[in-house]
Amino acid sequence: GESVGLHLPTLSVQEGDNSIINCAYSNSASDYFIWYKQESGKGPQFIIDIRSNMDKRQGQRVTVLLNKTVKHLSLQIAATQPGDSAVYFCAETGGNQFYFGTGTSLTVIP
Amino acid sequence: EADIYQTPRYLVIGTGKKITLECSQTMGHDKMYWYQQDPGMELHLIHYSYGVNSTEKGDLSSESTVSRIRTEHFPLTLESARPSHTSQYLCASSLQRTDTQYFGPGTRLTVL
Repeated sequence: GESVGLHLPTLSVQEGDNSIINCAYSNSASDYFIWYKQESGKGPQFIIDIRSNMDKRQGQRVTVLLNKTVKHLSLQIAATQPGDSAVYFCAETGGNQFYFGTGTSLTVIP
Repeated sequence: EADIYQTPRYLVIGTGKKITLECSQTMGHDKMYWYQQDPGMELHLIHYSYGVNSTEKGDLSSESTVSRIRTEHFPLTLESARPSHTSQYLCASSLQRTDTQYFGPGTRLTVL
């Protein structure tokens, strides 16, 4: 079966610092990856995605890096704000269904 | 902001009751999904649909059923709720099977 996991279950950062959240996947055939943000009591919210023909993609304050060699995905959040506090999880697919990681809980310290 | 809605948001019911969780989307997406998520755990796919009159079971065994009579509507039904059904249920939709899935706000179900 698929295996999508996050390295750290919790992460605390100071407001204004950069955050890095990591994700490992096991299916070398996966070609599409998404990062979601889930706030307490809400459904997952799309943040950014990347396809396997890219190794980096930038959005507003967020950057996703993909290393297909080691099957590793990371989400970088620049100048982390209190509103960024949430659970972040990655999802990947090789064409059939999506598989989701457990999530990393990010806490921003004011 | 995704246009996908779920009702009710919270539901507390007794064992043995029949319930239906509603999910609707206004994006015209053919693909719709139901996930179950326990606190601190990953999402597990329980049902999906690739179009009207098409429904399939997901990886996670579930005693629920779904229907897809209209593109925009994908309700999930539990014929006889049990405490083991207590969980959060998330509905999602996408344009294509490998496209971004947009999620609703979820229904938090508690069965006493």
